[in-house]
Amino acid sequence: IAGITQAPTSQILAAGRRMTLRCTQDMRHNAMYWYRQDLGLGLRLIHYSNTAGTTGKGEVPDGYSVSRANTDDFPLTLASAVPSQTSVYFCASTQRADSDTQYFGPGTRLTVL
Amino acid sequence: GQNIDQPTEMTATEGAIVQINCTYQTSGFNGLFWYQQHAGEAPTFLSYNVLDGLEEKGRFSSFLSRSKGYSYLLLKELQMKDSASYLCAVKDSNYQLIWGAGTKLIIKP
Repeated sequence: IAGITQAPTSQILAAGRRMTLRCTQDMRHNAMYWYRQDLGLGLRLIHYSNTAGTTGKGEVPDGYSVSRANTDDFPLTLASAVPSQTSVYFCASTQRADSDTQYFGPGTRLTVL
Repeated sequence: GQNIDQPTEMTATEGAIVQINCTYQTSGFNGLFWYQQHAGEAPTFLSYNVLDGLEEKGRFSSFLSRSKGYSYLLLKELQMKDSASYLCAVKDSNYQLIWGAGTKLIIKP
């Protein structure tokens, strides 16, 4: 099935634990993004990757890390989760960084207690 | 700083027309996007404007004025399924999307 998949769908996590959110796309898109969405705020960019092997910091990168070992996968890691990282996380991709449209995965709802 | 403003919530009647406004101040401009997001779901692409004027796509139209930093999304013949949040986003000089907080549209019968 073409598109973007994210795992897990939802997760409850104890503060201080390490967590990796997975994102995989099969559209051979070069650029991938991680956003968080909080009530009353717009989507905020955490990290991005314009092509495999490169990554960059977005608006709210602190406490998060990413890697882009290949075109398809773009995992997001929380090294030591804190309650303020409770949010809905969306992965997105686009053919190139300057392309028209970003396509979104279904999201991961993360609660940090 | 960069800023995208849109109303928090709007209410309209089934079958009517509604206009959702968006104003922006960004460092550079490489296009304006409208996305639809149903509750609990991912955003889905609606429209893209990079030049001034009106883009029509079925019941949905989007307008852009770059000199005024202004866009609107026009929804005609409203249906109950149009109840959703509508997100305005601008691609800045670094080709990153800057997002508004979204407008929740409530459709009443």
